[in-house]
Amino acid sequence: GIQVEQSPPDLILQEGANSTLRCNFSDSVNNLQWFHQNPWGQLINLFYIPSGTKQNGRLSATTVATERYSLLYISSSQTTDSGVYFCAVDGNYGGATNKLIFGTGTLLAVQP
Amino acid sequence: DVKVTQSSRYLVKRTGEKVFLECVQDMDHENMFWYRQDPGLGLRLIYFSYDVKMKEKGDIPEGYSVSREKKERFSLILESASTNQTSMYLCASSRLGGYTFGSGTRLTVV
Repeated sequence: GIQVEQSPPDLILQEGANSTLRCNFSDSVNNLQWFHQNPWGQLINLFYIPSGTKQNGRLSATTVATERYSLLYISSSQTTDSGVYFCAVDGNYGGATNKLIFGTGTLLAVQP
Repeated sequence: DVKVTQSSRYLVKRTGEKVFLECVQDMDHENMFWYRQDPGLGLRLIYFSYDVKMKEKGDIPEGYSVSREKKERFSLILESASTNQTSMYLCASSRLGGYTFGSGTRLTVV
């Protein structure tokens, strides 16, 4: 099946710093999503981005499907950005359902 | 906003017990999923369902079963709980690719 690798596994930032998180995947995908899991365990969908670039406030994401990677940019980081960031791709098993395969995540800690 | 509600935030069960984890969504989504999350392993798909009474195995279905009798409810069943099933369990629903997750159930099997 598809392999999803994220880097770095851990990241510590000072408040106000910028960062880039990377997601590599091993096969073509129909769907790629970025999620943020806050310290209380809630997973929030950040971007649905199978290709191209999207921006939402201080966050933006770029997926280059032909080269099988995606990047999540966090600018002017805040302590509330802390948590785990997951990349997930559609395993393209066929059928009507998107079944997401998750990477192992990047643990981000933003210090005041 | 879509809400996905998991019935328990924390559960402690004994080895060998039959355990039911319940998940309810309120937006008429066709697809529902159960994942487990373990440190260093990310989220792994246990089972999913794309319609009432329909189910398919995910990547790690062993030791689990599911039930979907109504569109809004998807239950995960541990037939005989074991200590290696101690984990965080996350339910999700989706339509057209957009996922919404519940808050998770942290299950400890002793």
